[in-house]
Amino acid sequence: DQQVKQNSPSLSVQEGRISILNCDYTNSMFDYFLWYKKYPAEGPTFLISISSIKDKNEDGRFTVFLNKSAKHLSLHIVPSQPGDSAVYFCAASPALEYGNKLVFGAGTILRVKS
Amino acid sequence: ETGVTQSPTHLIKTRGQQVTLRCSSQSGHNTVSWYQQALGQGPQFIFQYYREEENGRGNFPPRFSGLQFPNYSSELNVNALELDDSALYLCASSRGGSSGNTIYFGEGSWLTVV
Repeated sequence: DQQVKQNSPSLSVQEGRISILNCDYTNSMFDYFLWYKKYPAEGPTFLISISSIKDKNEDGRFTVFLNKSAKHLSLHIVPSQPGDSAVYFCAASPALEYGNKLVFGAGTILRVKS
Repeated sequence: ETGVTQSPTHLIKTRGQQVTLRCSSQSGHNTVSWYQQALGQGPQFIFQYYREEENGRGNFPPRFSGLQFPNYSSELNVNALELDDSALYLCASSRGGSSGNTIYFGEGSWLTVV
C-alpha cells in the first residue's frame, strides 16, 4: 500500500525554467510534508516543508504547494539550475504519531540541462 | 552538512551473519530513527528511538533491532542477514519526537549481503 506516490520517475528541464515535481498521498492523517533532495552516495538533504494548516510555503527558489482536498502537493523550483539535478523525494508525517516516521515516495529524478 | 554521522560507510557481509551500524545524531537532537532504502525506492521507516526507548516501528521483522544511548547516539543491529537486506541504511535525527520537526539524515551505510 503506497501511501505517498510520485508518479513521474523522471523530469528533464532547461536551465532557467521552472521545475514542477508532484506528489500525491492517500492517508488523510498526514499533517506535515517535506521535500528532500538526494545526490548519489549521499543521504537525503532537507529542502522545504509545509504543515497541513498552510497551502503554500516559500524558501528562496523553492516553493511547496499543498492541496489538501486533492491530497496533492507540488514543489516548484524557479529558476532551475544544473546543480538542482538530483533525486527528489516527497515525504509525509502522520499526525499524532512519532515525528520521525516519514513515509516516502519513490522519488523523481530531476535533470536540469544547461 | 547535517551533523548526523554514520559508520561504516560501506560494508559487505555474508548471508546469515550479523551487522551493527552506528549513528551519531546532530547536537541537541534526542530522537533518532533508521530507514532502509533499496535501489530505486524511497527510504522505508524501520524504527525510531526517543530518549533511549523505541518509540515506533515500521514493518520490519524482529531481527532488526536497535539501541539509543544516553548521548542519543544509536545503533542498528540486523541478525541472520538475508540477501534482500542489501540496501542503504539511513539514520535520521530531530529535536523532539513529535510531528513537525525537521528531520536530518546522515549519508548512510551501504550494506551488501552476499
